[in-house]
Amino acid sequence: QQQVKQSPQSLIVQKGGISIINCAYENTAFDYFPWYQQFPGKGPALLIAIRPDVSEKKEGRFTISFNKSAKQFSLHIMDSQPGDSATYFCAGAQDKFYFGSGTKLNVKP
Amino acid sequence: EAQVTQNPRYLITVTGKKLTVTCSQNMNHEYMSWYRQDPGLGLRQIYYSMNVEVTDKGDVPEGYKVSRKEKRNFPLILESPSPNQTSLYFCASSWMLGGGEQYFGPGTRLTVT
Repeated sequence: QQQVKQSPQSLIVQKGGISIINCAYENTAFDYFPWYQQFPGKGPALLIAIRPDVSEKKEGRFTISFNKSAKQFSLHIMDSQPGDSATYFCAGAQDKFYFGSGTKLNVKP
Repeated sequence: EAQVTQNPRYLITVTGKKLTVTCSQNMNHEYMSWYRQDPGLGLRQIYYSMNVEVTDKGDVPEGYKVSRKEKRNFPLILESPSPNQTSLYFCASSWMLGGGEQYFGPGTRLTVT
């Protein structure tokens, strides 16, 4: 059973647009929800993370929205840039980490 | 420079030939973990370690072994590799168990024929 479901699998956005990636989780014991960014040939790197007692967290152009009752959270990338083109992974964690299947974002110039 | 290193970066081997992938971190992190990444499946945790001599199974531990004899090192051992273990492997470390930023290594691409 997949603990964290991520959608869409791929996303094409025009430069300056908003990119939105969604995740849903099963395990209510998760207490940490990070988003990782991965460029080809590199390991994932933490982008932004949230705890379940907060409904929104913003860091620059990146925002996590968290809905505890719906067991859903999403990443919003405002003013998307070609340099944001990468694969994005959401995750839920308590002691173990469970990652979503990834979203490949392509921002067109 | 703070980093997680893995060796080798690429490995092609045959079924049944024991191999070890090394992982080392220079940040004095307590928590280390191994993941495999497969297309369409994201990252799946294989094993993790909370400190020296303390390890536990992740989501997909079958066919793998780990050890944590020193704080900085966390090798991944495949005693009898099989083709279904062909994958991209990442080691990661962090200060905290479960709730802190994980720093990932550059990855090891393993092919088992």
